[in-house]
Amino acid sequence: QQQVKQSPQSLIVQKGGISIINCAYENTAFDYFPWYQQFPGKGPALLIAIRPDVSEKKEGRFTISFNKSAKQFSLHIMDSQPGDSATYFCAASMYEGFQKLVFGTGTRLLVSP
Amino acid sequence: DAGVIQSPRHEVTEMGQEVTLRCKPISGHDYLFWYRQTMMRGLELLIYFNNNVPIDDSGMPEDRFSAKMPNASFSTLKIQPSEPRDSAVYFCASSPWDRGNSPLHFGNGTRLTVT
Repeated sequence: QQQVKQSPQSLIVQKGGISIINCAYENTAFDYFPWYQQFPGKGPALLIAIRPDVSEKKEGRFTISFNKSAKQFSLHIMDSQPGDSATYFCAASMYEGFQKLVFGTGTRLLVSP
Repeated sequence: DAGVIQSPRHEVTEMGQEVTLRCKPISGHDYLFWYRQTMMRGLELLIYFNNNVPIDDSGMPEDRFSAKMPNASFSTLKIQPSEPRDSAVYFCASSPWDRGNSPLHFGNGTRLTVT
């Protein structure tokens, strides 16, 4: 019940296209859902996050869509750029109390020029 | 701020040897986490500390692994004896508070290879 399932494992998108990465969770106690971005040789870095009181959050070209009833959330990257090529991790945790993020298995995104 | 600093960046050792990984968290961050990343299992939380005290070590794979945080600016993860299956990238991360929205700040990791 602690798992976060992420798909696809890898994704190739042309420059200017839309990248979509999906995640699903089981634990209904989760109420904080961040996405982390990791470039080769670097540690993951927080990209964007959402709480379930909203269905969508947008920051620049990055949007999280959240479906509470389906227990699913997704990351959309609009107008994808080669610089977006990285591994993306979804995660989930409980907002209150000690933080203990559960990460998805990651999606390797390649944006072709 | 220099961010979370980990050393060494790469470690190659032979099976049976002791390995010590080091981490300096961001100043003022009360929480420190050790993660392991592999292709098969992704990012796994090994242990985390609050104010230098270990809070949850349920992710530590076995007794060969140990972690310490002697002060607010330094932590170590030790593997003794090391085995080939320990080969992975080990990340240290720190966080300023305990709410769920507190971002994790990761170091650049230590790539461990055990031959």
